[in-house]
Amino acid sequence: QVQLRQSGPGLVRPSQTLSLTCAVSGASISRGGSCWSWIRRPAGRSLEWIGRICTSGTTNYNPSLKSRLIMSVDTSKSQLSLRVTSVTAADTAVYYCVIEALGYFYYMDVWGEGTTVTVSS
Amino acid sequence: DIQMTQSPSSVSASVGDRVSITCRASEAIAWLAWYQEKPGKAPKLLIYATSRLQTGVPSRFSGSGSGTDFTLTISGLQPEDSATYYCQQADTIPLTFGGGTNVEIK
Repeated sequence: QVQLRQSGPGLVRPSQTLSLTCAVSGASISRGGSCWSWIRRPAGRSLEWIGRICTSGTTNYNPSLKSRLIMSVDTSKSQLSLRVTSVTAADTAVYYCVIEALGYFYYMDVWGEGTTVTVSS
Repeated sequence: DIQMTQSPSSVSASVGDRVSITCRASEAIAWLAWYQEKPGKAPKLLIYATSRLQTGVPSRFSGSGSGTDFTLTISGLQPEDSATYYCQQADTIPLTFGGGTNVEIK
C-alpha cells in the first residue's frame, strides 16, 4: 500500500522560503501516469489546491500561487518537494502531499499525514 | 476559477437518518469528488467521478448530480460518520473545494 511521509519545518520566517518533502513508499515514484498534488488548509478555512506534478513532466500550479511555487520529483530518493518562496502569514496552514488516483486524474486518493506550517517572526 | 458552494454548512442528525449535502458549482462541470475529514486526520476520498464509490467506502455513501448541482447522501447515518465533508471539482485547473459541511450526530 502506498504511503506518504511528509517532513519539513513547522516554523518559517516571513519572506523566507517554505520547503517540504514527501517520501513515497509502497509504490514506484516513477510509475507511469502518476501525478501528485499539494494541498493546504489554512486554520478555519477550507482546502486549497496548490499544484500538481506528474511523472510525464507535467506541472500545473494554482495561478494564485504560481509565481512563488517550485515543485519537483527526485526519483533517486523517491520523494517529492514543494517550495513556496516569499512566505507571509497567509501561507500558514496544514500542508498535504497527495497521490492522485491512477487513471482518474484530479482525484486525491492517498494523503500524507500533513505538516503544520506557521509563518511567524 | 470555479467556485464550489456547499450547503448546509453544518447538520445535526440522529443515527439511522438520511443526510444529504449539496454542492453547487459556479459553472457546469462534469466531474466531482467528495472527501471526509475527521479531526487530526487527513481527508479521505469517498466518491470520485461524481458517483463512483472509492474502494473500502461503505455503501451507505452515494453521490449524484450533474451540471452545477451535486449531492452526497449518507443513507443510515452511523456514529463514525461524524466528520466534515468537502466537495471538489475535478474538471478544471485550478482544482477547487467547497467550504465544507460539518455532520454532527445528535
